[in-house]
Amino acid sequence: GAGVSQSPSNKVTEKGKDVELRCDPISGHTALYWYRQSLGQGLEFLIYFQGNSAPDKSGLPSDRFSAERTGGSVSTLTIQRTQQEDSAVYLCASSLIPFTDTQYFGPGTRLTVL
Amino acid sequence: AQTVTQSQPEMSVQEAETVTLSCTYDTSESDYYLFWYKQPPSRQMILVIRQEAYKQQNATENRFSVNFQKAAKSFSLKISDSQLGDAAMYFCAYRSTETSGSRLTFGEGTQLTVNP
Repeated sequence: GAGVSQSPSNKVTEKGKDVELRCDPISGHTALYWYRQSLGQGLEFLIYFQGNSAPDKSGLPSDRFSAERTGGSVSTLTIQRTQQEDSAVYLCASSLIPFTDTQYFGPGTRLTVL
Repeated sequence: AQTVTQSQPEMSVQEAETVTLSCTYDTSESDYYLFWYKQPPSRQMILVIRQEAYKQQNATENRFSVNFQKAAKSFSLKISDSQLGDAAMYFCAYRSTETSGSRLTFGEGTQLTVNP
């Protein structure tokens, strides 16, 4: 079947605006993850969903960041009042089950905050 | 907390030759998974190979193999018969099975160039 998809592919926004990034996991995958890839910080974990709940959101950098998952499928990462330091590639991954299964990644969304 | 270190920011290899990428990690856990992912310019992270820590046998996937040294906490990737399509950023990653069991912890990455 289809892999993990993310939209938009690229997003340019102005400082202070809100943005929403979307992730469609592989069908049937119960676990979903968000990571951020930036020049200064490398690849960082943000949040993990099992079904619609988030057992681990310890990687979210501030309360401006939030995420939800509905129907055990699509997830949206929302960044409020964007700052220039939020500029990064946001990667989504999914796995059939957590803990033991391989994570498969989407192509990412490149966010640029002007 | 676990850490992953890739000490080679850049590597280069001639087409058809063999190259080894290094990775070390730090953990107090006994059971975990290790991965190598490849990220070409398209940004998509592609799984190259996976190793379960409880398995002593080194994982192999076609031209890709690992040298897993659990006591030394070392996990190197060997690419044989390098091809132009192997050029990419390679990330080593660790995943615990005991605590925060689902997140991946990545190294800094190694940029591999394949010269024709």
